[in-house]
Amino acid sequence: GNSVTQMEGPVTLSEEAFLTINCTYTATGYPSLFWYVQYPGEGLQLLLKATKADDKGSNKGFEATYRKETTSFHLEKGSVQVSDSAVYFCALSGGSYIPTFGRGTSLIVHP
Amino acid sequence: DTAVSQTPKYLVTQMGNDKSIKCEQNLGHDTMYWYKQDSKKFLKIMFSYNNKELIINETVPNRFSPKSPDKAHLNLHINSLELGDSAVYFCASSQRGEGDTQYFGPGTRLTVL
Repeated sequence: GNSVTQMEGPVTLSEEAFLTINCTYTATGYPSLFWYVQYPGEGLQLLLKATKADDKGSNKGFEATYRKETTSFHLEKGSVQVSDSAVYFCALSGGSYIPTFGRGTSLIVHP
Repeated sequence: DTAVSQTPKYLVTQMGNDKSIKCEQNLGHDTMYWYKQDSKKFLKIMFSYNNKELIINETVPNRFSPKSPDKAHLNLHINSLELGDSAVYFCASSQRGEGDTQYFGPGTRLTVL
């Protein structure tokens, strides 16, 4: 079946540090790939997505590139803020794919 | 304007009871989902309905029964609640053909005592 693997957290950074959260997936064909963010006490919300190979999704300074050759969709941000502290989920879905989520990576940003 | 709403937000109940969680979306989407999130934040899909028809039914105990009276509503009824059912349950919706971006509700925290 399909699967999504993302790095375990928590990831702890100082404000303005560079962020990378790794995500790799296993699926046949070409699913859409997503990053969702969950703030404390809230539901998940879409952060960015990419629907085909080599697409780059970006939003609020975050970006991720759909790499078919390495089956990866790593999340990056050049300078994190305290307000970015949340849990980040990598996911795949689209078409006939059952939506599949990674286990989530907690990000803690200190002032 | 709330896109995906769930009620109640908190639900505390005793083992063995039966309870329901309601979900409504006003986005006009044709697909709705139920997810369970455990204490370690792991998110697992339970069910999905497309235009009131069940299309995904993962390995969930048959004590859990989804019901979709129309495509804007997907309710979850749970019989004979067990301690292990304690979790946060999220409803979500999406529109096929739009990349299947999921729109999540705020969640219902279920605690079984």
